Amino acid sequence: EAGVVQSPRYKIIEKKQPVAFWCNPISGHNTLYWYRQNLGQGPELLIRYENEEAVDDSQLPKDRFSAERLKGVDSTLKIQPAELGDSAVYLCASSPPWTEETQYFGPGTRLLVL
Amino acid sequence: GNSVTQMEGPVTLSEEAFLTINCTYTATGYPSLFWYVQYPGEGLQLLLKATKADDKGSNKGFEATYRKETTSFHLEKGSVQVSDSAVYFCALSEAGGGNKLTFGTGTQLKVEL
Repeated sequence: EAGVVQSPRYKIIEKKQPVAFWCNPISGHNTLYWYRQNLGQGPELLIRYENEEAVDDSQLPKDRFSAERLKGVDSTLKIQPAELGDSAVYLCASSPPWTEETQYFGPGTRLLVL
Repeated sequence: GNSVTQMEGPVTLSEEAFLTINCTYTATGYPSLFWYVQYPGEGLQLLLKATKADDKGSNKGFEATYRKETTSFHLEKGSVQVSDSAVYFCALSEAGGGNKLTFGTGTQLKVEL
C-alpha cells in the first residue's frame, strides 16, 4: 500500500514569493492533516480536513496561509507571501475513518525562505 | 492547554545498552498517548500507543506504559541497535479534541557500535 505522498520534497524561495505544497493521502483515508515542524521542535497542527471540510483551522495563519481539499482526496497548502520565519518542514498526514487516532505521515516538504 | 515534555537529546548509547526516554504530559482530560519515530530522511512513523491508564504499548522491542498517577509515558528498550538511531517523539491526543496530536520536542537517539 502506498503511503502519504508529498511534493516537492525540498523548496528554496526568496521571501515574499508564493509557494505551494501538495499532498496525496493514503487511499480511503478521509481525514487529512497539515503540520508544520520547526527545527528542533515537534510538529504543530495547522489544519485538519474531514473529507472536503476544514474542521479545525484554528492554528492556520490565515493572513498568508491557505489550504484546499476540493475533492476530498489530495490537498494543497499555500503560503503567499512567504516570510523568513516560514522556513520549516511541512508535514501531511492522513488517517482512516475506523482508527482516527493513528495518523500516517508523509516524508514532508522542507522549505527554506531566503 | 495540553503539553508534552520530553528529555532533551541527543542520547548516545552503545549497541545493546538499555534505553529510557522520559515523557510526561499535561492534559485536561484522558488522552491517548503515542510514541512516533522519525528515521533520517523519512516521515514520522507510529511506534506504539496506549489509550487508557495502565495500558502498555509495545512494538519492535520498545515498550511504554501509560501512568496516569505520574502523567508519564516513558519509552524503554532493553537492547538498542544501531538501526534504532532516530528522533523519537512523544505525543498525546485528547478524547474529544478532534484527534489533534500534541507533540513533544523530540529526542534524538544515536546508537554506536
